Amino acid sequence: AQTVTQSQPEMSVQEAETVTLSCTYDTSESNYYLFWYKQPPSRQMILVIRQEAYKQQNATENRFSVNFQKAAKSFSLKISDSQLGDTAMYFCALRSNDYKLSFGAGTTVTVRA
Amino acid sequence: EAQVTQNPRYLITVTGKKLTVTCSQNMNHEYMSWYRQDPGLGLRQIYYSMNVEVTDKGDVPEGYKVSRKEKRNFPLILESPSPNQTSLYFCASSPEVGLAGREQYFGPGTRLTVL
Repeated sequence: AQTVTQSQPEMSVQEAETVTLSCTYDTSESNYYLFWYKQPPSRQMILVIRQEAYKQQNATENRFSVNFQKAAKSFSLKISDSQLGDTAMYFCALRSNDYKLSFGAGTTVTVRA
Repeated sequence: EAQVTQNPRYLITVTGKKLTVTCSQNMNHEYMSWYRQDPGLGLRQIYYSMNVEVTDKGDVPEGYKVSRKEKRNFPLILESPSPNQTSLYFCASSPEVGLAGREQYFGPGTRLTVL
């Protein structure tokens, strides 16, 4: 079984500031993939960033970066220079080799002008 | 345009009336999956399919059926809907079974209300 836990239901950040979302997970697989998805008010699911478990280097996509701590089973997302368009719900997800994608409960991020 | 489509986008129905939510992808993806999204629970997998005629249960399969007769289509069937199946449903697909790191492409979602 695999589980994903997001302990922050809501977060608020001032425009241009930085916010970090936490995610912890559990899996018995040695090789797996971690994702952060963004769901804006339109409800569309948008991939933000992806991390392969066997890669030690943290993934980065423009203003989005992750802190992947494999031993601690932690996968946090940092949003730098927050913009109003970043307002959304963010989901952490885990996909192991059995092709099952498990999601956390989500964190609602509100960017204040 | 590469996309996953779902129909209908919104549906209000009554308990016990059979319904089907269609899902279609035009990317020739082998893997397809259905999720339901509920507040505080995130997205939970209902069923997935790794290829035509190959389906398997996810975390919450009770009350749902699926079929995969064609590669592009993966309908979700509720034989006898109940109010606890009121939810937001997403269909997703991804290329090539065996590449678990590949991104899943999501449909726009179907908001289902069962009265």
